[in-house]
Amino acid sequence: NAGVMQNPRHLVRRRGQEARLRCSPMKGHSHVYWYRQLPEEGLKFMVYLQKENIIDESGMPKERFSAEFPKEGPSILRIQQVVRGDSAAYFCASSPAHTSSYEQYFGPGTRLTVT
Amino acid sequence: GENVEQHPSTLSVQEGDSAVIKCTYSDSASNYFPWYKQELGKGPQLIIDIRSNVGEKKDQRIAVTLNKTAKHFSLHITETQPEDSAVYFCAATLDMRFGAGTRLTVKP
Repeated sequence: NAGVMQNPRHLVRRRGQEARLRCSPMKGHSHVYWYRQLPEEGLKFMVYLQKENIIDESGMPKERFSAEFPKEGPSILRIQQVVRGDSAAYFCASSPAHTSSYEQYFGPGTRLTVT
Repeated sequence: GENVEQHPSTLSVQEGDSAVIKCTYSDSASNYFPWYKQELGKGPQLIIDIRSNVGEKKDQRIAVTLNKTAKHFSLHITETQPEDSAVYFCAATLDMRFGAGTRLTVKP
């Protein structure tokens, strides 16, 4: 059973470009969470999605950031018009149901560098 | 929302000694408390968790204790080894807020 997959593992974008980060949850998992981690800092919750629905986006910046988890295919975290402050590691995690009952499993992360 | 505080931020121990990391949380409705280990360049890995209906859980050299009254829980690592060196994160539901992390260094 493959774990959570994220790609790309490393992404370099110039200021003003768009970044698309992909996350494929573990087989049988229908819940996806995105986190951002700045160097030497903890994990900051961004958004929680189920298939085709955003459940909680309270941690996501109101502008330039969006997330989706379509019926088919991976979850996508999209950052438009990237700025240097967006440089960070972005992790997704999946669980079979909401975390109040089930543990989350993390992917290896995508390291975004904005030049 | 939930507020999770984690201490200490760094911890250095000698190989074979024990290490203890503590977290406090604010929302008394939280009922699931996982601990994650993150090695350099990798994603967090779940190492142990505890639910609110138990006070202690042990898995080999790792144990977690929970005090619901005081709203704190702790990670205990015994007989530490150099490969235990990593950053450890606690979290508390309902909305999976993480502590700031503890960088554990085990000196051989």
